[in-house]
Order: sequence, then structure tokens, then C-alpha cells
Amino acid sequence: RKEVEQDPGPFNVPEGATVAFNCTYSNSASQSFFWYRQDCRKEPKLLMSVYSSGNEDGRFTAQLNRASQYISLLIRDSKLSDSATYLCVVKDAGNMLTFGGGTRLMVKP
Amino acid sequence: GAVVSQHPSWVICKSGTSVKIECRSLDFQATTMFWYRQFPKQSLMLMATSNEGSKATYEQGVEKDKFLINHASLTLSTLTVTSAHPEDSSFYICSAPQTGTYEQYFGPGTRLTVT
Repeated sequence: RKEVEQDPGPFNVPEGATVAFNCTYSNSASQSFFWYRQDCRKEPKLLMSVYSSGNEDGRFTAQLNRASQYISLLIRDSKLSDSATYLCVVKDAGNMLTFGGGTRLMVKP
Repeated sequence: GAVVSQHPSWVICKSGTSVKIECRSLDFQATTMFWYRQFPKQSLMLMATSNEGSKATYEQGVEKDKFLINHASLTLSTLTVTSAHPEDSSFYICSAPQTGTYEQYFGPGTRLTVT
């Protein structure tokens, strides 16, 4: 079983749609959680951290459920520029990051 | 935000040769840096943790004699792929956590093609 699992997609959605990505992690001792965005042939860039209370940044909402070891990302009003691969990332007590396989999003006009 | 650079951004080499990739933290010091490898359509896989002034820690399955890591200063880590083979062709990315923050800063990556 992978440490961090994501549906690889691709998710093909029209502009303006709302799309949700899910992620599960296996290490219950994980400390911090993030969503990164990676464009083709580029390095990952931090999109947002994920907190148990849920957090929102513009059109993006992230949620963490520690009991279920489940993380989600909701994108509202999708833009063409949101097309990318979204990586669920878990950090342990040190600085080690474990990446999920990524979920590919394609937003169509 | 903090900046991490990598050099070169793209390299093509012949089988059997060695390639050195540099990772630099430009405006902060990093006692630890991480080296990842990403094959097409796959996620980033941690190869090793580079520690300033001491030996690197390698992940299971990563050959330390093939992927030589040197973290000689607080702002520079190098990864040398020795005796490269076509299966070493990949996207190599480094990252560095900035002390006092939770965020890791990624370099732009180095695309290695071994012919």
C-alpha cells in the first residue's frame, strides 16, 4: 500500500466547474499536510497547507480528517489556468515529505 | 519567498559518463537538502537526504555509490550520477526547508537524458 494515495485522474472538467480531489495517507504519525501544484516539466509549487479546521484560499478549500487519514482539495469556478497535476503531500516529524502520485486536472473551455 | 536554484536545467550525456547537478539555496542557509527523482507520469520519489558536513542518508533501493551526494556548505548540495545509463534518464529535483518555516522550497529541476 502506498503511503499517500491519490486518484491519478485525469479529471476533465469545463471552465467554471467545481472539482474535488481526495487523498489518503497511511502514517498516522504524520504531522503536516499540503497540496502542491505541478505543471508539466516544472518543479512542484506549494498551493496551500491543510489544517484540521479546514482552510480556504480564494477558490481553493482544503480539508483534513485525521481520524480517517483523509485530505481533500476543492476547486471552485475552475479556470483554464488551473490545469495541472495536484500533489497531496504529507510531512513527518522531521522535514521528510512524502508525495502522492498526483491527480491530473484538465480544465476545458 | 526563498529561492533554490539548480544547475544545469537540462543535460544530455552518453552512457558511462558522470553528471554533476548542483542545488543552491540563494537567500537562506540549508543544513538539510533533499534530492528527488521523477519519472514521466509518476510522482516525486525521495532519493536521499543531504546533510551539511556529514554523510547523506539514502532511501532504500538508491545506490549510494552511484548517486554521490556532497553537501559541502550551507548553501550548496551536489548530486553526481556516476556511470550514467539510459534508465537514469529522469527529472531530478532538489528541495530545501528553510529553518523556522514549514515550507520546503524546490529547485526548478534538472532534466537528465542519457543516450
